[in-house]
Amino acid sequence: GESVGLHLPTLSVQEGDNSIINCAYSNSASDYFIWYKQESGKGPQFIIDIRSNMDKRQGQRVTVLLNKTVKHLSLQIAATQPGDSAVYFCAEKRGAQKLVFGQGTRLTINP
Amino acid sequence: GAGVSQSPSNKVTEKGKDVELRCDPISGHTALYWYRQRLGQGLEFLIYFQGNSAPDKSGLPSDRFSAERTGESVSTLTIQRTQQEDSAVYLCASSWDGNQPQHFGDGTRLSIL
Repeated sequence: GESVGLHLPTLSVQEGDNSIINCAYSNSASDYFIWYKQESGKGPQFIIDIRSNMDKRQGQRVTVLLNKTVKHLSLQIAATQPGDSAVYFCAEKRGAQKLVFGQGTRLTINP
Repeated sequence: GAGVSQSPSNKVTEKGKDVELRCDPISGHTALYWYRQRLGQGLEFLIYFQGNSAPDKSGLPSDRFSAERTGESVSTLTIQRTQQEDSAVYLCASSWDGNQPQHFGDGTRLSIL
């Protein structure tokens, strides 16, 4: 069935290194993708989004890459900081504004 | 604080009781969403309100679940005859419209004993 999934459930990186979180999607008709960050006890926080007419979008220390050929989405975080430790979710918009979330990747930044 | 506000932040109740969860969206946001998040899981869509249109209720898991929204403001999610499997965090989000990023509240953690 259709799904939005993540390759790795956990990821540990050293402070200052770059991190890459990956996401696979199966619905080629999806046209909007979002990355959210969720800290413990908090709601998801919007990080960055990308529409299907783009393959790359940059924000502050974050870059989202979209490869429609292989239906793959990634979030790159540059120069990671302790505050980047959280669970990261990709989400895909299908149909009428209905977001479908993946299971999440827990990112841990080691000092 | 102009974010999405949810109350209560925590709710513990006995199986079989009814519960009502409240969401105050960001002022001016016409779209409002409810999600359920089980422990260690992603977000499961429940219901979507957009302006005065009929809500999209396709994610509600059973007829024990219902939600209302007053105009473009407060929404309440009601769960009747709660079951233990209803234990989860219930998250509300709002956006300017259905094509803009959703902004989430911190959720209500519901525990059914």
